[in-house]
Amino acid sequence: GNSVTQMEGPVTLSEEAFLTINCTYTATGYPSLFWYVQYPGEGLQLLLKATKADDKGSNKGFEATYRKETTSFHLEKGSVQVSDSAVYFCALSDLGGSGNTGKLIFGQGTTLQVKP
Amino acid sequence: ETGVTQTPRHLVMGMTNKKSLKCEQHLGHNAMYWYKQSAKKPLELMFVYNFKEQTENNSVPSRFSPECPNSSHLFLHLHTLQPEDSALYLCASSQEPGISSGNTIYFGEGSWLTVV
Repeated sequence: GNSVTQMEGPVTLSEEAFLTINCTYTATGYPSLFWYVQYPGEGLQLLLKATKADDKGSNKGFEATYRKETTSFHLEKGSVQVSDSAVYFCALSDLGGSGNTGKLIFGQGTTLQVKP
Repeated sequence: ETGVTQTPRHLVMGMTNKKSLKCEQHLGHNAMYWYKQSAKKPLELMFVYNFKEQTENNSVPSRFSPECPNSSHLFLHLHTLQPEDSALYLCASSQEPGISSGNTIYFGEGSWLTVV
């Protein structure tokens, strides 16, 4: 079945460091890929998305490129801030056997801690 | 503010209690979802509603009973829960019932449920 694998955390960085959170997926068909962010005590917020191969999603300085050849969607940011401390979830759309069900398959989440 | 509002934000209930979680979306969407987020586990889809009709039940125990009276409101009725049901319950909505290039799922902030 479809699945998403993220690097385990927590990831601890100093402010202004470069961030990479790895995400790889297994899927049939052509899913859309997403990164969601969850700040402490809050629900999930869509950070960025990509809907087809070689698409690059970007938002708030974060980027991720849909790599079909490596089945990856790694999240990157050139210079992190303390306010970026959160849990980051990679997800894919599960198209299902009968078509478009609206189901998202999530990775387990990666906690990012940014220290001043 | 994502346009999806959940109440209550925190709920503590005994195993014999009956309580309900409420979700309201102000985005004019037609599809609504319940997800469960447990500690150290990926988010799990529970139910999907499209145009008030339930289209997916992801093998959820009957002690969880959803209700969708209209496209803007979604409830999760809780009865005789177990301590292992303690989790963050996330409501979400999307314009259309499914994932497509132009369709994004928006999450509420979640309801933290503790079963004692």
